This record gives sequence, structure tokens and C-alpha cells, in this order.
Amino acid sequence: DQQVKQNSPSLSVQEGRISILNCDYTNSMFDYFLWYKKYPAEGPTFLISISSIKDKNEDGRFTVFLNKSAKHLSLHIVPSQPGDSAVYFCAASGLGSRLTFGEGTQLTVNP
Amino acid sequence: KAGVTQTPRYLIKTRGQQVTLSCSPISGHRSVSWYQQTPGQGLQFLFEYFSETQRNKGNFPGRFSGRQFSNSRSEMNVSTLELGDSALYLCASSLMGRGGEQYFGPGTRLTVT
Repeated sequence: DQQVKQNSPSLSVQEGRISILNCDYTNSMFDYFLWYKKYPAEGPTFLISISSIKDKNEDGRFTVFLNKSAKHLSLHIVPSQPGDSAVYFCAASGLGSRLTFGEGTQLTVNP
Repeated sequence: KAGVTQTPRYLIKTRGQQVTLSCSPISGHRSVSWYQQTPGQGLQFLFEYFSETQRNKGNFPGRFSGRQFSNSRSEMNVSTLELGDSALYLCASSLMGRGGEQYFGPGTRLTVT
């Protein structure tokens, strides 16, 4: 079963606008959530994380929101830049170190 | 600090052969995890090593194995290679593993012919 889902395979936004990437999870034991950015043939690059005791975490242009009751998290990128174009993965972990990844969302930021 | 390094970056093997991949974690990181990325299955967890002990294991056959050395460097081995083992193999390191960020290396692209 897919415990972490990113329902949008792709997202296209204009430069300077906000990008919102969404992720849903089903496992109530997940207590730590992360977002990664990935280019083809490279390893994922860590962007931002959030613990289940928080509902928001900001780092520069990136903000992650967590809604535990809905089992939903989102990544906001403001303002979006062409260099942000990549595949974005959300990931979740529980008691152990294992990360469970979503399928990824291809973000394209158009100049 | 230097990032996670993986060698080799690319590898071509024949069915039935075995392969060993290497990973050097970020200095000071004691946890090393391995993941497989394929177009069909996405990113899947293989196993995690911490202080030379396997602490967690994913749902992969016994042909996939690993180990960690006292300097935290890790190797993973795949024996009796199958065509379906063609994938990007990623190594990630973290300080303690649990509840923290994991930093990935560039990966090893394995092609099995």
C-alpha cells in the first residue's frame, strides 16, 4: 500500500508566483516529514523538514505546513524561480530511520 | 564538510554476476541507509546501518546485503544479479538516523544486461 502519496505528477507555475506541492499520508505512526528536491541521475537534496509537534516550518523561500488531523502536508515556495524546476519528493519517517517516499511531483517554473 | 560520496557512479553488469557498491557518509554521521530508485517502484528503502549493525531492513530479497565499517563507511552487495535490479542506488547518511534529516549521495547507476 502507498503510505505516502503525491497526487499531482506535475505542476507548472510562472516565475515569481507561489508553488504549492501537496502530500498525503496514511500511517499515523509517521512523526517526521521531509521534502527533497531531485534532478535526474542525482541524489535527492534535502530542503526542509517538520516534526509532528509543529504545524509550520520556514526556511527562506520554503515553508512546510503540516495538518495532522487531515494527514496532509504541503510545501510552499515563494517566490518561485526557474532554478526550482525539479522533481520534489515528500518523505515520512516513524519510529525508525526508514524514509517512505511519495511518487514525486515534477515542478516546472516558467520564466 | 564534504558530502556523501558513492563509488562507482556507473556500473554495467551481466545477469548472474554480483556487485559491490560503496558509500562514505558525511564526517561524524553514524547512520547509513540505502535506497533503490526505479521508474516503476520509486524510491524504496533497502536497509540501514548504525554503528556497524543493521538496524532496519526493507522488503528486499536476501540477495541484497550490506555492511558498515568502524569508520561508518558502508558497502552494499547484490548477488546473482537480475535484469530488474537495474536502478539508481542511493546512500543516505544522518547523525543518528531516527527523526532527523538524511543527506543523500549522488547514487550509483547500475545497469544489468
